[in-house]
Amino acid sequence: EVQLLESGGGLVQPGGSLRLSCAASGFTFNNYGMNWVRQAPGKGLEWVSVIDAGGVNTFYPDSVKGRFTISRDNSKNTLYLQMNSLRAEDTAVYYCAKEQGFMRPFDCWGQGTLVTVSS
Amino acid sequence: EIVLTQSPATLSLSPGERATLSCRASQSVSSYLAWYQQKPGQAPRLLIYDASNRATGIPARFSGSGSGTDFTLTISSLEPEDFAVYYCQQRSSGWTFGQGTKVEIK
Repeated sequence: EVQLLESGGGLVQPGGSLRLSCAASGFTFNNYGMNWVRQAPGKGLEWVSVIDAGGVNTFYPDSVKGRFTISRDNSKNTLYLQMNSLRAEDTAVYYCAKEQGFMRPFDCWGQGTLVTVSS
Repeated sequence: EIVLTQSPATLSLSPGERATLSCRASQSVSSYLAWYQQKPGQAPRLLIYDASNRATGIPARFSGSGSGTDFTLTISSLEPEDFAVYYCQQRSSGWTFGQGTKVEIK
């Protein structure tokens, strides 16, 4: 069974940093691109970042570019999101999501981890 | 950046009725459009990819259509478990989602 399990969320002050992890199991992790998607309380889905299967290419929307860094360790079947210079508007549930294939939609999602940015 | 606009924002229907949800792209996305379902407190679930292909395990009452800029998700006969929020998604310089359509019980 394909499973994704996020961890690392919590309360952080504005300007602070946090690193999220996503442990993957049940599939060949190094064959698939992976994404982070977030959802602010009561709001819709916002894509945050993508990394290709080999960990070479990454992309971000303007809202997080220069502050967030996606990475992966294929030897540990784990995806990461390093978040720096956090703002109140980064408060959200963060999901990791597996692509169906190269640049394909997301066919498996984790349960999410809540990040709260507040003083 | 391609913007996806979903309508209506809320759809109030009864079980057994047909639901028709719309997603319009600000420019052509060819057939690279997906639909997701999200229930309260749960992660989204992939329903439809490439505009009209059902994902694994998705019931036949869910269907998708469209290409270019106009897309539709149809639920032929609503079951109690179908009341949820539905999002469309496209890929172009990354991924974007529509703002969602809530299907609620009338």
